[in-house]
Amino acid sequence: KNEVEQSPQNLTAQEGEFITINCSYSVGISALHWLQQHPGGGIVSLFMLSSGKKKHGRLIATINIQEKHSSLHITASHPRDSAVYICAVTNTGKLIFGQGTTLQVKP
Amino acid sequence: DAGITQSPRHKVTETGTPVTLRCHQTENHRYMYWYRQDPGHGLRLIHYSYGVKDTDKGEVSDGYSVSRSKTEDFLLTLESATSSQTSVYFCAISPGGVRDTQYFGPGTRLTVL
Repeated sequence: KNEVEQSPQNLTAQEGEFITINCSYSVGISALHWLQQHPGGGIVSLFMLSSGKKKHGRLIATINIQEKHSSLHITASHPRDSAVYICAVTNTGKLIFGQGTTLQVKP
Repeated sequence: DAGITQSPRHKVTETGTPVTLRCHQTENHRYMYWYRQDPGHGLRLIHYSYGVKDTDKGEVSDGYSVSRSKTEDFLLTLESATSSQTSVYFCAISPGGVRDTQYFGPGTRLTVL
């Protein structure tokens, strides 16, 4: 079993829809990260959080430490949000990554 | 922009040849990392460095070595490339250390024939 699990693996949405991507982890962490990777592109850090909630534009990330669970929400989704979203946790100073969620937003 | 470059960006090589990938940063950050990304496995840590000449192994270090003789450069060497090392390799830096956000380079696509 992977130490960081994401769901769903693939997600297709219509433009404007509210999107949720989930991440569960089974190890102790000091922080959780959400990353974005566009097709053929590099990896960009969206959020790093250790408690509560963070918001940046249309993106919201939440974490529940007790339940070892985090969610990434995208409001008013747009085709440019199409990308792979990767959850990662910091454990003993190193990042452990989930497999990623491939999101396609259709116009 | 964290000022990270990787070279080469693409490389095709043959089994058994040595290959060196370079990661260069302009900000003099201590912590640097090498990852590989493969379908079905996601990103996995190969080696990391916490300063000049200070390096340590990650979860998939077999067949790889690293060197860091200057703060700005972190080199990854495949001593004798195998087809299983065909992958996309990403370098990352962490300005604030192990508990900080990591910033990734653009990646190097390596194909071993």
